[in-house]
Amino acid sequence: QSALTQPRSVSGSPGQSVTISCTGTSSDVGGYNYVSWYQQHPGKAPKLMIYDVSKRPSGVPDRFSGSKSGNTASLTISGLQAEDEADYYCCSYAGSFTGVVFGGGTKLTVL
Amino acid sequence: QVQLQESGPGLVKPSGTLSLTCAVSGGSISSSNWWSWVRQPPGKGLEWIGEIYHSGSTNYNPSLKSRVTISVDKSKNQFSLKLSSVTAADTAVYYCARVVGGSDAFDIWGQGTMVTVSS
Repeated sequence: QSALTQPRSVSGSPGQSVTISCTGTSSDVGGYNYVSWYQQHPGKAPKLMIYDVSKRPSGVPDRFSGSKSGNTASLTISGLQAEDEADYYCCSYAGSFTGVVFGGGTKLTVL
Repeated sequence: QVQLQESGPGLVKPSGTLSLTCAVSGGSISSSNWWSWVRQPPGKGLEWIGEIYHSGSTNYNPSLKSRVTISVDKSKNQFSLKLSSVTAADTAVYYCARVVGGSDAFDIWGQGTMVTVSS
């Protein structure tokens, strides 16, 4: 069982927007602004899409955005494209004893 | 640009020790970054194993801490993972990754290496 809770799957049509939630506790998501999101295509390594809750690495389209409210972080993908179909994982710092925790992953299907 | 490459045996016997190395190219392991190991069992999610700084400071996942050792070799620009007393539950793709400076995100990943625990 993963420390952070994500929906198993979400879907949307091309051009639409989808939001993936990531629920933790005050000991991880709610306690630090160190939430990151990763995109993983089958057989590939994860790719960093968002870090520090809402920052985008160079090269990541601005269609990807992140936010946080309390113990829940969210990844929003606007203007869905076929290539966005992938698994998405959230991740959070959880203190010096626990270190880093991941969510269980969400499969995004572009209809 | 910085690239990471994992290497090591793809098959380890139960109760044995899993040993992997991550070679860093295009940059120095002595930069102001931490370096991590993350694994992913087949069909499952990601699990953080631990991290190391070039000074040798380490942090480990509490659930694996008793079996994990991460070390760094600055002369070879690489860092390594050892996981002892392995079982079938340790079968996974193992990734090495660079931690973003000042954050806890992983911005550069190796391609991953599959390790199977089986007799």
